[in-house]
Amino acid sequence: GNSVTQMEGPVTLSEEAFLTINCTYTATGYPSLFWYVQYPGEGLQLLLKATKADDKGSNKGFEATYRKETTSFHLEKGSVQVSDSAVYFCALLIIQGAQKLVFGQGTRLTINP
Amino acid sequence: DARVTQTPRHKVTEMGQEVTMRCQPILGHNTVFWYRQTMMQGLELLAYFRNRAPLDDSGMPKDRFSAEMPDATLATLKIQPSEPRDSAVYFCASWSSGANVLTFGAGSRLTVL
Repeated sequence: GNSVTQMEGPVTLSEEAFLTINCTYTATGYPSLFWYVQYPGEGLQLLLKATKADDKGSNKGFEATYRKETTSFHLEKGSVQVSDSAVYFCALLIIQGAQKLVFGQGTRLTINP
Repeated sequence: DARVTQTPRHKVTEMGQEVTMRCQPILGHNTVFWYRQTMMQGLELLAYFRNRAPLDDSGMPKDRFSAEMPDATLATLKIQPSEPRDSAVYFCASWSSGANVLTFGAGSRLTVL
């Protein structure tokens, strides 16, 4: 079936540290891949996406590369800020009659000053 | 800035009462989703509609939950009777197939006492 597995949280880092949140997927065909971010008390917001193999999505200093050979879409940022503290969700798009996003379980990130 | 609007933002009710949550999707988005988020289960897909027709509600407890889309500007999720285990944040999201982006509302936080 179609599924997304994310790195277990919570993740705690110091400001300016390097961030990696791992995401791997299982899917039939060639899905589009997404990272969403949820700040406290808010809904999920699209952070970045990639629609085909080797595409790199980027936004707000975050990047993720669609790796078909390893079925991965790891999220990275070179220097995190306190304001990046949030829950991050990896997701893949499947089309079965209508578009549907399958989400990972989410990874809580806390950045300490 | 187009957004998905959900009401109420917060609802506290007693067990056995009826609860109705409403969602106004972004104009022109033809696919609408209902998700539930809890600490224990994470983000769960309850139901979704395309062009107002229900496509999949297999994630929803049928005996007490119902989802409808009476017109293109309104989706509703009703719980009758509500139970304490229904306490969660309920998110509505709408889909733009042209941009392949799922946009979430801010959520309705439900507490059933």
